[in-house]
Amino acid sequence: DIQMTQSPSTLSASVGDRVTITCRASQSISSWLAWYQQKPGKAPKLLIYKASNLESGVPSRFSGSGSGTEFTLTISSLQPDDFATYYCQQYNHYWTFGQGTKVEIK
Amino acid sequence: EVQLVETGGGLIQPGGSLRLSCAASGFTVSNNYMGWVRQAPGKGLEWVSVIYSGAGSYYRDSVKGRFTISRDNSKNTVYLQMNSLRAEDTAVYYCARISEVGGILDAFDIWGQGTMVTVSS
Repeated sequence: DIQMTQSPSTLSASVGDRVTITCRASQSISSWLAWYQQKPGKAPKLLIYKASNLESGVPSRFSGSGSGTEFTLTISSLQPDDFATYYCQQYNHYWTFGQGTKVEIK
Repeated sequence: EVQLVETGGGLIQPGGSLRLSCAASGFTVSNNYMGWVRQAPGKGLEWVSVIYSGAGSYYRDSVKGRFTISRDNSKNTVYLQMNSLRAEDTAVYYCARISEVGGILDAFDIWGQGTMVTVSS
């Protein structure tokens, strides 16, 4: 099974900060990686697919990069609506999610 | 509007059975790969099962032989039949569509609101 490891688990930041979350795969997954945002009591929302493609309707302050085993999600200027938990997910071989990164208010 | 609505969750005793439904609108389930993803209380996301646009399916090891995913094209609905339920199956169950770009599977792009399943005596 492919394991996905996110870091950090929790991130404290302020509005306007640049935020970066890292996701590492236990083996190469090419660019078959997605990022989701989840708010409490809500379903996950797709932000980024195929490592760097912005889903329609998602603000351009979100961006993704990486390939192989190392990936990053960057929020260029954190907004109040961005405080949430973020998950990476590989879909190279079946589907595996990372454990999540909670972005909280500093 | 493209939408998924799950129903069928509830409180069930260990060893019991439950069937979850996922009604789709705005697209046709038979033309898409559809999946179930669950989230135990306070925990992360975990894929459970996926059904092909054909007839095949995938299951995670912990539910193989206990859960069955199916589809009723006439109702545009996907189901998850869950038998021999265990306490560790307690979770919110989400239905989701897997997007397909140029015949290649991509991410889970449409999600339902989720339905809670609690397995407890």
